Amino acid sequence: QKEVEQDPGPLSVPEGAIVSLNCTYSNSAFQYFMWYRQYSRKGPELLMYTYSSGNKEDGRFTAQVDKSSKYISLFIRDSQPSDSATYLCAMSQLTQGGSEKLVFGKGTKLTVNP
Amino acid sequence: NAGVTQTPKFQVLKTGQSMTLQCAQDMNHEYMSWYRQDPGMGLRLIHYSVGAGITDQGEVPNGYNVSRSTTEDFPLRLLSAAPSQTSVYFCASSYTPGLVIYEQYFGPGTRLTVT
Repeated sequence: QKEVEQDPGPLSVPEGAIVSLNCTYSNSAFQYFMWYRQYSRKGPELLMYTYSSGNKEDGRFTAQVDKSSKYISLFIRDSQPSDSATYLCAMSQLTQGGSEKLVFGKGTKLTVNP
Repeated sequence: NAGVTQTPKFQVLKTGQSMTLQCAQDMNHEYMSWYRQDPGMGLRLIHYSVGAGITDQGEVPNGYNVSRSTTEDFPLRLLSAAPSQTSVYFCASSYTPGLVIYEQYFGPGTRLTVT
């Protein structure tokens, strides 16, 4: 079992729909939880990050973490065609050497149709 | 600021050839890392560095070498290219107060094909 599981989709929704993207994880040592957005042929860019269980909102985006269930979600309200991209979840963990590294999900490809 | 830059953008190699992928950042970030991205596999960490002179292996280090002689540069060397190394390679850097990784800034990627 991979440490981070993410359904690759693809997911296709009409403009204005609410989108729900999810990841599950198995390593309870993960500390920070992030969502990155990657447009086609570009590098990923950070969308949101959170530390504790609960919700964090930023405009049309809400990140949700449930540490007891090892489950994180990203909700997009009033989705726009410009939201069409691949969304990757990422989680940070401390290494044995004391530094930190990120583990990424496989990414979910989202298309928002006008 | 240019952010994170990578060269070349595209490269075709023959099996057995060696090459170096260049990565530079001008944000004075201590933490730098290399990932490869393959269809259906997501981003996988190859090597990372927490500062000049300090490097460590990630999830898929075999066939790759790194060194970090300056804060700005973090080159990735392919020792003897194999078709399995055909991929898109991303370099990233982060500001790390203490040990925590905050936002990682990614470069535009290098598309490598090994024939």
